[in-house]
Amino acid sequence: KQEVTQIPAALSVPEGENLVLNCSFTDSAIYNLQWFRQDPGKGLTSLLLIQSSQREQTSGRLNASLDKSSGRSTLYIAASQPGDSATYLCAVKGKSEKLVFGKGTKLTVNP
Amino acid sequence: GAGVSQSPSNKVTEKGKDVELRCDPISGHTALYWYRQSLGQGLEFLIYFQGNSAPDKSGLPSDRFSAERTGESVSTLTIQRTQQEDSAVYLCASSLVGLVAFFGQGTRLTVV
Repeated sequence: KQEVTQIPAALSVPEGENLVLNCSFTDSAIYNLQWFRQDPGKGLTSLLLIQSSQREQTSGRLNASLDKSSGRSTLYIAASQPGDSATYLCAVKGKSEKLVFGKGTKLTVNP
Repeated sequence: GAGVSQSPSNKVTEKGKDVELRCDPISGHTALYWYRQSLGQGLEFLIYFQGNSAPDKSGLPSDRFSAERTGESVSTLTIQRTQQEDSAVYLCASSLVGLVAFFGQGTRLTVV
């Protein structure tokens, strides 16, 4: 059974810092991995999707990497801003097609 | 529509009543998912539809929960004889197979 773990559970940083969020998964037989952000009381917004054949994806100040063999992904946020404050969720998709989520990292960027 | 639409956005119901939650996926998306998010918890998979294939119902927590989808359009999640532990945000997502999943804003269900 696939299990996804995100560390840390919460992170507080001053504005302008670069930061890394971690995601690990137990079954490396995945099709893709997706990073989402969730604002309080809202649904999920997709940030980046990495297919199993890819090593990384970039969008603006965000960079996500995937090391399938070791069961790890990282989300790098450059020059963090208060608007980046949210909960970041990692999800993997395997043969069953369903997305298995971690419990998220709650990020607070202080002005 | 432009995105995944869920209705109602909020629902308060009395214990023991049945409720029906609706999801309108993005047009053309063959895959549709239902998830549940309880306070302080992660997202719990409920059910997955893909085209005309048999749905993956492996996440439904009890036989009080059921879901239907007509073709590649609207889906409804029905909870019968609601219990207080059913209180949660119910999220729907749709995607093309293997591609980005787009989530709706969710239905917040409160059972009193």
